[in-house]
Amino acid sequence: RKEVEQDPGPFNVPEGATVAFNCTYSNSASQSFFWYRQDCRKEPKLLMSVYSSGNEDGRFTAQLNRASQYISLLIRDSKLSDSATYLCVVNKYSGGGADGLTFGKGTHLIIQP
Amino acid sequence: NAGVTQTPKFQVLKTGQSMTLQCAQDMNHEYMSWYRQDPGMGLRLIHYSVGAGITDQGEVPNGYNVSRSTTEDFPLRLLSAAPSQTSVYFCASSFTGNYGYTFGSGTRLTVV
Repeated sequence: RKEVEQDPGPFNVPEGATVAFNCTYSNSASQSFFWYRQDCRKEPKLLMSVYSSGNEDGRFTAQLNRASQYISLLIRDSKLSDSATYLCVVNKYSGGGADGLTFGKGTHLIIQP
Repeated sequence: NAGVTQTPKFQVLKTGQSMTLQCAQDMNHEYMSWYRQDPGMGLRLIHYSVGAGITDQGEVPNGYNVSRSTTEDFPLRLLSAAPSQTSVYFCASSFTGNYGYTFGSGTRLTVV
């Protein structure tokens, strides 16, 4: 089983719609969770961290379910500029500290006018 | 602030050549790491460091060396380039592992 799994898409969504992505992770030692956005041929950029209590940043809402090892991202009122690949990312820890990031392969989102 | 700076942006190597990919950050981040991104594979961790003088292997370390003599710099060395190392390489840094990492703009490496 892959450590972080995402539906690769593509998700084709009309402008203004709401879209949701999900991701599952297999390593229960994972302790920090993030959504990153990556545009074509660019570096990943942090979209938001994800907490068990759920967190919101404008049109974006993220949720973590530790019991089910499941992470979600909701985008409301989607814009053309939201078209990108969304990466689910976890950071696990060992005795020496953070072990670096583990990435899902990404979900490709296309917002259509 | 420059953030995370990677050089070079593009490089073509011949099989068997060695080279060093440079990574520098000016944010006083303790955590730094190197990733490679290949089509259909996602980003994979090569090596990481939790502070000056401390490095460890990630998921795909073979064929690469790192060192961390200063907080600012974390170079990645390819010892003897192989076509399988053709990839896009990203360096990233973070204040602590709890916070998101900032990525450099990447180095596109082709080994022929």
